[in-house]
Amino acid sequence: KAGVTQTPRYLIKTRGQQVTLSCSPISGHRSVSWYQQTPGQGLQFLFEYFSETQRNKGNFPGRFSGRQFSNSRSEMNVSTLELGDSALYLCASSPSSGLNTEAFFGQGTRLTVV
Amino acid sequence: GDSVTQMEGPVTLSEEAFLTINCTYTATGYPSLFWYVQYPGEGLQLLLKATKADDKGSNKGFEATYRKETTSFHLEKGSVQVSDSAVYFCALSDRRQLTFGSGTQLTVLP
Repeated sequence: KAGVTQTPRYLIKTRGQQVTLSCSPISGHRSVSWYQQTPGQGLQFLFEYFSETQRNKGNFPGRFSGRQFSNSRSEMNVSTLELGDSALYLCASSPSSGLNTEAFFGQGTRLTVV
Repeated sequence: GDSVTQMEGPVTLSEEAFLTINCTYTATGYPSLFWYVQYPGEGLQLLLKATKADDKGSNKGFEATYRKETTSFHLEKGSVQVSDSAVYFCALSDRRQLTFGSGTQLTVLP
């Protein structure tokens, strides 16, 4: 069974631009969550989608948005990029949206904003 | 809000030494607890989990017991190997999201 696939693996963008990251969950998984990892703030929850609906959102500005498609694939978008958005963005998929459900992570997309 | 506190690293051990990484948590509900491991340049891999008090999660020689009375979930391994060198994250799951500790860098020397 293929794991969680995130594309692209690496991105370099300029301040003020926007970026779209993609995540394909494990086949059969319906829940997709996104996390931001930085050296200063650690791992922080961005949002979770289940059956195309955003179920939970972390404490990030509105520049960060996402969506989920009917095949459970998800995208996240960051508009008006700032230097502080440079981070590893991790996607995780789960079979369902429950408290005890294991999350399986992709390898991440490394975003550098210059 | 929910929070996870991990022992500060980095931790450096010799091969075959005993490992303990402390983890305590604060949560309003009854969370599930996890340990994840991250190797350089990789995403997170689930190492073990426990879903209720007194549960013991174990995998690849690593163990952790969910202690509700001390709100702890310490990670232990009896004999570490060089290949265990990585960053270890304690996490709790409540309200449909994972809350992570700051991570502990483990280096095992041959």
